[in-house]
Amino acid sequence: GAVVSQHPSWVICKSGTSVKIECRSLDFQATTMFWYRQFPKQSLMLMATSNEGSKATYEQGVEKDKFLINHASLTLSTLTVTSAHPEDSSFYICSASGGEETQYFGPGTRLLVL
Amino acid sequence: QKEVEQDPGPLSVPEGAIVSLNCTYSNSAFQYFMWYRQYSRKGPELLMYTYSSGNKEDGRFTAQVDKSSKYISLFIRDSQPSDSATYLCAMEVTGGGNKLTFGTGTQLKVEL
Repeated sequence: GAVVSQHPSWVICKSGTSVKIECRSLDFQATTMFWYRQFPKQSLMLMATSNEGSKATYEQGVEKDKFLINHASLTLSTLTVTSAHPEDSSFYICSASGGEETQYFGPGTRLLVL
Repeated sequence: QKEVEQDPGPLSVPEGAIVSLNCTYSNSAFQYFMWYRQYSRKGPELLMYTYSSGNKEDGRFTAQVDKSSKYISLFIRDSQPSDSATYLCAMEVTGGGNKLTFGTGTQLKVEL
């Protein structure tokens, strides 16, 4: 149980385009979903927290107009990187929580912006 | 000072060794403690989850929490090459909205 999927697993895009990443909880209802960013050999950096049906809460320094988060249902959250630039290239990981005091992570999405 | 400190390693051990991974923390409000394993280019996988002080065992893995010392450990017995990964400790305060504070991760390599 507690399986979280992400799609796509990797994406290459041109600078200036937008990229959408989906995060789904497959076998439980996720009241809260989290989006992280991870650079090579570094720990996870929390970008934002989203609760179903409400606006996401962004961490300090994360541009909410750049990283659009939608948590439309209890099993789906999306992260859209708008007008992507090479510095946005990273490993993006979502996690989901069903109300317990822990999070289950997706497999991650590797984004490369050319 | 970071809220959670973790030695980044790398830690290299021979197959079959007992591995000890540790984290220290400064926030006494942390009540929930987790260990995640992350293989290269993959998302973290929850290994152990403990509440407050004490020990918890699951197969070859044992998690220890000492709240008085603000110190948590993960022991891996009979380590295998497949245990080679980065191990992240994570903590949460009660009523913290499930928001985790992570250590930087310890890279472990188990050699044949």
